[in-house]
Amino acid sequence: EVLLVESGGGLVQPGGSLRLSCTASGFTFSSYAMTWVRRPPGKGLEWVSGISGSGGSLHYAGSVQGRFTMSRDNSKNTLYLQMSSLRGDDTAVYYCAKSAGGLIVDWGQGTLVTVSS
Amino acid sequence: QSALTQPASVSGSPGQSITISCTRTSSDVGSYKLVSWYQQHPDKAPKLIISEGNKRPSGVSNRFSGSESGNTASLTISGLQAEDESDYYCCSYAGSNTWVFGAGTKLTVL
Repeated sequence: EVLLVESGGGLVQPGGSLRLSCTASGFTFSSYAMTWVRRPPGKGLEWVSGISGSGGSLHYAGSVQGRFTMSRDNSKNTLYLQMSSLRGDDTAVYYCAKSAGGLIVDWGQGTLVTVSS
Repeated sequence: QSALTQPASVSGSPGQSITISCTRTSSDVGSYKLVSWYQQHPDKAPKLIISEGNKRPSGVSNRFSGSESGNTASLTISGLQAEDESDYYCCSYAGSNTWVFGAGTKLTVL
């Protein structure tokens, strides 16, 4: 069974930084691309970033480009999202997800990030 | 503004059928062969219910079906049940591990 568990969310002040982690199990982590998707309160899903299985290919949504850095440690089956220069509109539940063949197939339960003073 | 346009809300009575449309408004969005649909209940993770326009993952009720015509993909839910009340999102793969989501449609079962 695929299991994705996010951690690291919390309250942070505007301009601050936070690192999210996602621990994966139940599949060969290094063989799959991974992605982060967020859902701001009262709004819809927004794709944030994606990374290839090797970690060599990275892509970001324009809204986070230059502020967020996605990475992975295949030896630890862990995905990361380093977020800096956080703004109020970054407040959201952040989901870690596994992708395959152009599909987002499995999702974690999410971790809440609140950016507020 | 999303490159995929969905109605903000739809409603139907138990037993009825409803259809949610998803219209591509940008050429940056990929082929509709790669359109997927997700269901998200409050405070739950999204769940894949339709892939590649019309394929149902194992375990998804056959009351859910997908189709496409021109620039519009559609999700149809037949025999509406109270448990179908949820948010529904269309999603298109744009290549290189990037995706575009529609703004979402809130389904109310009357």
